[in-house]
Amino acid sequence: GAVVSQHPSRVICKSGTSVKIECRSLDFQATTMFWYRQFPKKSLMLMATSNEGSKATYEQGVEKDKFLINHASLTLSTLTVTSAHPEDSSFYICSARYLTSGSRETQYFGPGTRLLVL
Amino acid sequence: DQQVKQNSPSLSVQEGRISILNCDYTNSMFDYFLWYKKYPAEGPTFLISISSIKDKNEDGRFTVFLNKSAKHLSLHIVPSQPGDSAVYFCAASPSNDYKLSFGAGTTVTVRA
Repeated sequence: GAVVSQHPSRVICKSGTSVKIECRSLDFQATTMFWYRQFPKKSLMLMATSNEGSKATYEQGVEKDKFLINHASLTLSTLTVTSAHPEDSSFYICSARYLTSGSRETQYFGPGTRLLVL
Repeated sequence: DQQVKQNSPSLSVQEGRISILNCDYTNSMFDYFLWYKKYPAEGPTFLISISSIKDKNEDGRFTVFLNKSAKHLSLHIVPSQPGDSAVYFCAASPSNDYKLSFGAGTTVTVRA
């Protein structure tokens, strides 16, 4: 299947600092990527849809100024958690929309980034 | 409002037996369904999908069944193996959108 990478896999930062997480599609081009957040023992919550060359679309309740998304190329989307606070500590996962001929598309996920804000 | 529901948070099954995971949905616009497997501290891995024009899709040990009238789908894993121990998420998307709605997941434990 298609490969999606995320970097870093784990980050610890001080409260008030900003953290950037990268999501890359390694062997395919992705015009659309998604950013999810997962709380312990909970489902994946879609935060925003990242579209190459245009502004991201945020889900209701997600602060766009808090979670900055940039999709500058067909293989890279970044999520920046600005002025991070302890409540932002979570597992952040990206996915890339993968289109195959003759079948419906699917999403391939990155390995996730564990963020801990002290 | 949870549009995709996995009512069993956990399932324990003996190695070699069948694992049956269930998923219910409420949105009648959903027409594409997927199952993902997730290990702790990793991203979900795509397993198998099914379109609403089918009622069954099989891939190796994994089979997904769809009952549109009941708005219910299930994933069968047979035979179950220790490496199948993971959290399984059911996901769905409507015909006019590619966003996925996820269930809460079912933790499968395969006993040796």
